[in-house]
Amino acid sequence: GDSVTQMEGPVTLSEEAFLTINCTYTATGYPSLFWYVQYPGEGLQLLLKATKADDKGSNKGFEATYRKETTSFHLEKGSVQVSDSAVYFCAQFNAGNNRKLIWGLGTSLAVNP
Amino acid sequence: DAGVIQSPRHEVTEMGQEVTLRCKPISGHNSLFWYRQTMMRGLELLIYFNNNVPIDDSGMPEDRFSAKMPNASFSTLKIQPSEPRDSAVYFCASSLGAGEVGQPQHFGDGTRLSIL
Repeated sequence: GDSVTQMEGPVTLSEEAFLTINCTYTATGYPSLFWYVQYPGEGLQLLLKATKADDKGSNKGFEATYRKETTSFHLEKGSVQVSDSAVYFCAQFNAGNNRKLIWGLGTSLAVNP
Repeated sequence: DAGVIQSPRHEVTEMGQEVTLRCKPISGHNSLFWYRQTMMRGLELLIYFNNNVPIDDSGMPEDRFSAKMPNASFSTLKIQPSEPRDSAVYFCASSLGAGEVGQPQHFGDGTRLSIL
């Protein structure tokens, strides 16, 4: 069945380091892809999205490109800040999945000053 | 604009008691989702509603769990009787449409449930 696989955490970086969190998916057809972020003690919130191949989603300095060839949607940021410390979730939406989001397990990021 | 509102934020109760979690979705949203989050199992979809009708409850763990949406602005998730393994953070989320392409889900801040 359809699935989302994220790199395992925790990821620990120093401030201003480059961030990559890998996400790959399996799907029938062409899903929409999302990154959500969960800050401590809060619910998840949408970070960025891409709805078709080669689209690039971006927000708050984060970017992810929908790569159909590699079935990937890796999250990147050029220079992380302490305030980026959170858990990041990759997800896909495919109308064939009874219209549900399929979630990755989340990747915890800790940024040290 | 008010976001998704959940209550209570924290609940501590003894095993065997009935627990009721409440959710008010964003006005105008017609899809509502209940999730459970634990360290062991991550984020699990329990049930979702579209236009107040349950569409998929395949994630509801067992008969002790039930969910209702009597109107477009209110939903409850009930556990009766509660067990220690039900301890988790429960999230409610809402979205516009039945999952149309690109429509995000908006999450509440969750209810942290502890069953002693």
